[in-house]
Amino acid sequence: GNSVTQMEGPVTLSEEAFLTINCTYTATGYPSLFWYVQYPGEGLQLLLKATKADDKGSNKGFEATYRKETTSFHLEKGSVQVSDSAVYFCALTRRQTGANNLFFGTGTRLTVIP
Amino acid sequence: GAGVSQTPSNKVTEKGKYVELRCDPISGHTALYWYRQSLGQGPEFLIYFQGTGAADDSGLPNDRFFAVRPEGSVSTLKIQRTERGDSAVYLCASSLTPDSSYNEQFFGPGTRLTVL
Repeated sequence: GNSVTQMEGPVTLSEEAFLTINCTYTATGYPSLFWYVQYPGEGLQLLLKATKADDKGSNKGFEATYRKETTSFHLEKGSVQVSDSAVYFCALTRRQTGANNLFFGTGTRLTVIP
Repeated sequence: GAGVSQTPSNKVTEKGKYVELRCDPISGHTALYWYRQSLGQGPEFLIYFQGTGAADDSGLPNDRFFAVRPEGSVSTLKIQRTERGDSAVYLCASSLTPDSSYNEQFFGPGTRLTVL
């Protein structure tokens, strides 16, 4: 089946600290991988994505590399800011005709303190 | 704005009642998805529409749940004989085409359903 396992939170960091949120996946075929973010009081937003092995997705200083050999897509940021406080979801979709619904992990809540 | 909108934002109902949740996708988006997010969990897929037809309803938990999209735009998720376990945030998403690998799914703010 298709599933995503991500690091349980909550995670609390000081401003400018290094962030890693682990994500591993199980999928049939060759999925596309995503990180979505949910800021307080807002809807889910796409943060970054990678559609094939060894691709690196990046946005707003966040990066994640599609690692087929370890079935992982860990999210990293070198220096977090208070404004990065949010819930982060790792997700995958199977690339196929028809529905391309997303399979999500349980989410990791990040709090950045000044 | 031009984003996905959902109404109502909150719905409180009693066990056994019928509810309807509405989604207005982004104009021109042909693909529409419904997800359900329980507390502390990630969203779980319910049903997918391509145009007017329900192309994949494999995520609907049972036959109390039904959704329509009669004109290929607005969609309504209908829940009959609600149960306390139906309490969750119901999310709608739309994308330009079904290929989510290349076309971002844009999410609405959700409807928080509480069944007493």
